[in-house]
Amino acid sequence: QKEVEQNSGPLSVPEGAIASLNCTYSDRGSQSFFWYRQYSGKSPELIMSIYSNGDKEDGRFTAQLNKASQYVSLLIRDSQPSDSATYLCAVNVRNTNAGKSTFGDGTTLTVKP
Amino acid sequence: GAGVSQSPRYKVAKRGQDVALRCDPISGHVSLFWYQQALGQGPEFLTYFQNEAQLDKSGLPSDRFFAERPEGSVSTLKIQRTQQEDSAVYLCASRVRSQSTDTQYFGPGTRLTVL
Repeated sequence: QKEVEQNSGPLSVPEGAIASLNCTYSDRGSQSFFWYRQYSGKSPELIMSIYSNGDKEDGRFTAQLNKASQYVSLLIRDSQPSDSATYLCAVNVRNTNAGKSTFGDGTTLTVKP
Repeated sequence: GAGVSQSPRYKVAKRGQDVALRCDPISGHVSLFWYQQALGQGPEFLTYFQNEAQLDKSGLPSDRFFAERPEGSVSTLKIQRTQQEDSAVYLCASRVRSQSTDTQYFGPGTRLTVL
């Protein structure tokens, strides 16, 4: 079992819909949680970080964290074709100085016009 | 300001050759990470530097992999006697951390193909 699990997809939503991306992690000591967007052939780009239980909103993006359930999600409202990418969930499994991230394998999202 | 840069962007090596991959982090960033990303997978941690000190190399897959950051800025990842399974994108990231944020900025990566 991987430390960070994501549905590989592909997830397809129509333009303007809400896209919901999910991630579970295995280490209860995890402290920091991140969502990256990765376009094909490009490097990951951080879009959201969340550190405490609850919701965090930034524009069309909302990250949700539930540490009891070891679950983190990303909602994308009013999805646009430009949101089509692979979304990587990443977890810092310990609050150490290193801060190395463990990544899931990503969910591929396609937004259809 | 300038982001993280990596060179070369693409590298083709014959099996058994040695390769060196370079990373220029964002100026002033103390922390530097190397990741390996195979096709269709998420990045896998290789090693971590804080300034010139290599504090974690637990992700290096074998003793053929070696990384250094002698002056605490530019870092080089060296792979000796390359094998086909080394084919992947090698990502470098530098990090800024405060009380409220922890952000890694990734370079464009070096795509290594071993024939």
